[in-house]
Amino acid sequence: DTGVSQDPRHKITKRGQNVTFRCDPISEHNRLYWYRQTLGQGPEFLTYFQNEAQLEKSRLLSDRFSAERPKGSFSTLEIQRTEQGDSAMYLCASSLGGGGNTIYFGEGSWLTVV
Amino acid sequence: GEDVEQSLFLSVREGDSSVINCTYTDSSSTYLYWYKQEPGAGLQLLTYIFSNMDMKQDQRLTVLLNKKDKHLSLRIADTQTGDSAIYFCAESRHDYKLSFGAGTTVTVRA
Repeated sequence: DTGVSQDPRHKITKRGQNVTFRCDPISEHNRLYWYRQTLGQGPEFLTYFQNEAQLEKSRLLSDRFSAERPKGSFSTLEIQRTEQGDSAMYLCASSLGGGGNTIYFGEGSWLTVV
Repeated sequence: GEDVEQSLFLSVREGDSSVINCTYTDSSSTYLYWYKQEPGAGLQLLTYIFSNMDMKQDQRLTVLLNKKDKHLSLRIADTQTGDSAIYFCAESRHDYKLSFGAGTTVTVRA
């Protein structure tokens, strides 16, 4: 399967702990996106990378969130000092450039903060 | 996604056509998308339409765009049980960001 891959698929953590999610985009896709989806809602944009450069961050991305894409391939999303409000599905997506190039999503990483 | 609105639920009989409607607010949106999400899964791209088109057909799927009214619809012909899912409409305002609606839950009944 050469789609967008995310790991782990599910994570349960205690409040205050740090968690990290990994995303492997479709090979040769230079753009990588992170979205967050809560129950009953559509996905909300968090941030995106063009190669290794992080070009836009949503105001939803508080200081406790950090995303990296060090070599322009895979990306990590770290949440520090997790709060119950961080419980959501974190979706990664990738595309070959922007404009009309289609954006493909991964299966998502479910986070439950207890 | 308050700028993209969809009805929340649709129930349809197997074999009938489903029509899912969406309205958006940004007239500068260049592309509009339909994604499908099954329980616990990610988003599957179904189809998209460029804003200078008014219709696009892809097998059982037909997308209609009324740019004047900022209205987008997705018609699924011969709806099957496997079509039961949440369907999201999304607009692409910028080169990189999709704005999604809250999704329409489609239930196909026998």
